Amino acid sequence: SAVISQKPSRDICQRGTSLTIQCQVDSQVTMMFWYRQQPGQSLTLIATANQGSEATYESGFVIDKFPISRPNLTFSTLTVSNMSPEDSSIYLCSAPAQGTEAFFGQGTRLTVV
Amino acid sequence: DQQVKQNSPSLSVQEGRISILNCDYTNSMFDYFLWYKKYPAEGPTFLISISSIKDKNEDGRFTVFLNKSAKHLSLHIVPSQPGDSAVYFCAASDGGATNKLIFGTGTLLAVQP
Repeated sequence: SAVISQKPSRDICQRGTSLTIQCQVDSQVTMMFWYRQQPGQSLTLIATANQGSEATYESGFVIDKFPISRPNLTFSTLTVSNMSPEDSSIYLCSAPAQGTEAFFGQGTRLTVV
Repeated sequence: DQQVKQNSPSLSVQEGRISILNCDYTNSMFDYFLWYKKYPAEGPTFLISISSIKDKNEDGRFTVFLNKSAKHLSLHIVPSQPGDSAVYFCAASDGGATNKLIFGTGTLLAVQP
């Protein structure tokens, strides 16, 4: 099973600022995923990050707001830009395991004030 | 449009008894289903999965049942233990190249000693 390290684990940020979340996988993976879990809600896929190409964003998410980098097969970053209180959520990265199973990082709990 | 639904936000059972968590889906293209467990301040942990070609998969105390005609799956935990207390998410995939997972809203299971 893959080990996924995500940081920071939590942060409190001022509105209008940006936060970059890092995700490190202990093995090479083709795809990495970024999810958001708003309070009391399900996990919602933000985008799929492929190495060597632009991320693929889901409906309702745009690159200007959530730019993603994928410089190699073990690392990715998600930036939450120009934050507002509505961006307060848990952000999770994940990577596929065998088959369709996915492993998750521990999440980043973001509070925007 | 919520494609994966968990209609019970919470469930409380006594230690040693059976816990049954339910999940319904609407997309007939889903062909792989997973259950994840999530503790506070941690990322989701993969628990058990089932392919659409099966109707049951068992792993120790955990059994997942799939009823394709009803578009319904359930997770049985027998016997339930206090350490099982967590939020349980079901997830579904259409098996496409993207390995995208669609999550339900989660059920908070509390196992009372």
